[in-house]
Amino acid sequence: QVQLQQWGAGLLKPSETLSLTCAVYGGSVSGHYWSWIRQAPGKGLEWIVEINQSGTTNSNPSLKSRVVTSVDTSKNQFYLKVTSVTAADTAVYYCAKVDLGIFSFWGQGTPVTVSS
Amino acid sequence: DIGMTQTPLSSPVTLGQPASISCRSSESLVHSDGNIYLSWLQQRPGQPPRVLIQKVSNRLSGVPDRFTGSGAGSDFTLKINRVEAEDVGIYYCMQGTHFPWTFGQGTRVEIK
Repeated sequence: QVQLQQWGAGLLKPSETLSLTCAVYGGSVSGHYWSWIRQAPGKGLEWIVEINQSGTTNSNPSLKSRVVTSVDTSKNQFYLKVTSVTAADTAVYYCAKVDLGIFSFWGQGTPVTVSS
Repeated sequence: DIGMTQTPLSSPVTLGQPASISCRSSESLVHSDGNIYLSWLQQRPGQPPRVLIQKVSNRLSGVPDRFTGSGAGSDFTLKINRVEAEDVGIYYCMQGTHFPWTFGQGTRVEIK
């Protein structure tokens, strides 16, 4: 059973960079795609990006210019950075495993608040 | 982007009664491989979402059989037969056919 554990800074100021880590347990990052999804307070879900172990990515155009994602197979982890954050980036961020067009396993979520 | 429109947005249901949620996509969700990557997710309060149904009608392991997905093309339905207290939450449809993947607005299921 795959488990995802995620962490990162929860309070940022406008213009700073959001950085999150997602560690994969019970499976390997290799051979799969991994995604980041976010949920603004009281809002629905927004898919951000997916990446595989080769660094192949697919991104949501709404955020693409500010998103950097990477994978470290030696640590079995993957990462998300969002640059130049604003209050609109305040959300709970989830990491997830991608399987055949679904997010089969989810991290617990990391609340991120952007406030001056 | 593919728009995913859910109705209703709120569904108060009596325990033991059925509930039905509709999801309509702005374009066909048929992938070039012939599959329709339409899934349904449940998000209980304070928890991350979890997938109940994938590829329109396939329940994931461990999902009670009171949850049924159906549909084709751009019209899809999630039915809960005999709602139980643990079914309270927000339900989302999601399309994984076309990038960027998109979700419906969510339907809140609550007990009357």
